[in-house]
Amino acid sequence: GAVVSQHPSWVICKSGTSVKIECRSLDFQATTMFWYRQFPKQSLMLMATSNEGSKATYEQGVEKDKFLINHASLTLSTLTVTSAHPEDSSFYICSARVLAGVLTNEQFFGPGTRLTVL
Amino acid sequence: QQQVKQSPQSLIVQKGGISIINCAYENTAFDYFPWYQQFPGKGPALLIAIRPDVSEKKEGRFTISFNKSAKQFSLHIMDSQPGDSATYFCAAQPGGYQKVTFGTGTKLQVIP
Repeated sequence: GAVVSQHPSWVICKSGTSVKIECRSLDFQATTMFWYRQFPKQSLMLMATSNEGSKATYEQGVEKDKFLINHASLTLSTLTVTSAHPEDSSFYICSARVLAGVLTNEQFFGPGTRLTVL
Repeated sequence: QQQVKQSPQSLIVQKGGISIINCAYENTAFDYFPWYQQFPGKGPALLIAIRPDVSEKKEGRFTISFNKSAKQFSLHIMDSQPGDSATYFCAAQPGGYQKVTFGTGTKLQVIP
């Protein structure tokens, strides 16, 4: 099956620093990747949609200058949390959609990255 | 109109019993309805999905029932096992390369 990896799986950083999270599709090409954040005991909230080679589309209320997304290739998207603050502490999850084929609706999720900002 | 309402918020079922989780939507543009299973500290994993042209889909112990006229769909887990204890999210997606709207989640606990 399609596998999506994320790195790191967890990260602790000081307030004011920047953190980069990588999302990779390991065995398929993904034209579109999505970034979600999930607070404890809550649902996934879409932050942005990332298309390879173009600018990401951010959801309402998500600061694009704070959450920088780069989708440089069909297998890699990165999310950089700039000048992180404690309120940015959350579980960040990416997903990737298959480039072509029957399962064009299906998204495959990564294992998530736990960010803790001190 | 983009919401997907999910109930119950939490569910306790005895081993061997049937777990039922319900979802309702309003947006008639939705045409793909996946269910995801999420264990603590992990990303969601696709469990089963259905399109509105069928009323039921079964995969092993998991069944989706879909009522297009009522705009409701549900997940049934037959012979529930302790290993099924997880949070389940229903979701809905319009056609094409559109974003997924998630339900609020149901925390299922299967007790021995």
